[in-house]
Amino acid sequence: GQQLNQSPQSMFIQEGEDVSMNCTSSSIFNTWLWYKQDPGEGPVLLIALYKAGELTSNGRLTAQFGITRKDSFLNISASIPSDVGIYFCATKGAQKLVFGQGTRLTINP
Amino acid sequence: GAVVSQHPSWVICKSGTSVKIECRSLDFQATTMFWYRQFPKQSLMLMATSNEGSKATYEQGVEKDKFLINHASLTLSTLTVTSAHPEDSSFYICSARDPPIRPLHFGNGTRLTVT
Repeated sequence: GQQLNQSPQSMFIQEGEDVSMNCTSSSIFNTWLWYKQDPGEGPVLLIALYKAGELTSNGRLTAQFGITRKDSFLNISASIPSDVGIYFCATKGAQKLVFGQGTRLTINP
Repeated sequence: GAVVSQHPSWVICKSGTSVKIECRSLDFQATTMFWYRQFPKQSLMLMATSNEGSKATYEQGVEKDKFLINHASLTLSTLTVTSAHPEDSSFYICSARDPPIRPLHFGNGTRLTVT
């Protein structure tokens, strides 16, 4: 089946640092989504990308849809404690979403 | 904005009993809802697609007789875990799409613990 390779699996950073994570696939997709999941809660949509090359920001978050349509990255600038959580990339295969393995972000104050 | 509500948020049950989890779209109609399962430190795995007025579509390896899905209205889908076993303990999350807004909106999940 379709697989998304998300990296890194985990990150331990200092508050204020910038964060970068990415997602790659062997297949071409028309949509890339980035979600954040806090402990014990469902994922919340951060950014949706629909066009190759598209660069979209949401506050301190910036995501890009790779020009090859096989990858995407998410950047977080000037991290703060509430950025802690698990970040998932996702793409649409047929009617359903396929998720990456997630990037667990831990921030040291 | 669109909201998906899931209930209960957590449940503890004994082995052999059945548990029902509800997923509601609060301010939109959802002809399709999705049920995911998430084990600790793992990603979300799609279990089944719930279709209003018709049978659910189950992913490979998911037992349809064990995980009963009913999507009787445009705003409610239910997942019933029948004859629960400890290995069914997991975090179950539903989602729905609000046309024409394309991304999925997720419920807050249900933590099921089977003792």
